[in-house]
Amino acid sequence: QKEVEQNSGPLSVPEGAIASLNCTYSDRGSQSFFWYRQYSGKSPELIMSIYSNGDKEDGRFTAQLNKASQYVSLLIRDSQPSDSATYLCAVWASDTDKLIFGTGTRLQVFP
Amino acid sequence: GAVVSQHPSRVICKSGTSVKIECRSLDFQATTMFWYRQFPKQSLMLMATSNEGSKATYEQGVEKDKFLINHASLTLSTLTVTSAHPEDSSFYICSARSSGNTDEQYFGPGTRLTVT
Repeated sequence: QKEVEQNSGPLSVPEGAIASLNCTYSDRGSQSFFWYRQYSGKSPELIMSIYSNGDKEDGRFTAQLNKASQYVSLLIRDSQPSDSATYLCAVWASDTDKLIFGTGTRLQVFP
Repeated sequence: GAVVSQHPSRVICKSGTSVKIECRSLDFQATTMFWYRQFPKQSLMLMATSNEGSKATYEQGVEKDKFLINHASLTLSTLTVTSAHPEDSSFYICSARSSGNTDEQYFGPGTRLTVT
């Protein structure tokens, strides 16, 4: 069974710091990787997608992918209290044509 | 970014009645839509995958006769919860996958169903 693993947290960081969120996956054939942010009581919002090894930057967010290690991470620079949410790592399972989600990491940014 | 809407956002119904939830992709065509359910403080649970013009594929343990899914066009999918019971109370979220080349999937805002 394909799995996506995340530390549930909470990960607590001070305002202005870098938050580092990590994810590992089991399916070596996966080619598409995503990070979603979900505020309490709301639906997930896509914040990053990454398909190639290396880093992809978008504003304060950087996604990192290492397919050999089956590892995806999300860095949030200059963390703000408004970044406090649950971050879901998702991996596209090409054989079943659906997203496999991790259970999410809860991030708390304190002033 | 791509926008997906859901209607209604909240619904309260009596036990035994049916409820229909609509999911629309507003600015793109979605060949595939997905229906999820999420209970408080739990992970997203995929219920079914819906492809335009064909029957939905249900996940193991999801009753297809209770959760009716129709994907009539490239921009609209509906989920009908039939003969709802209090244990069906949950947050129902749809998502849509663009017919383009990426695997990106965009979520609607969700529908909170309460069955009394």
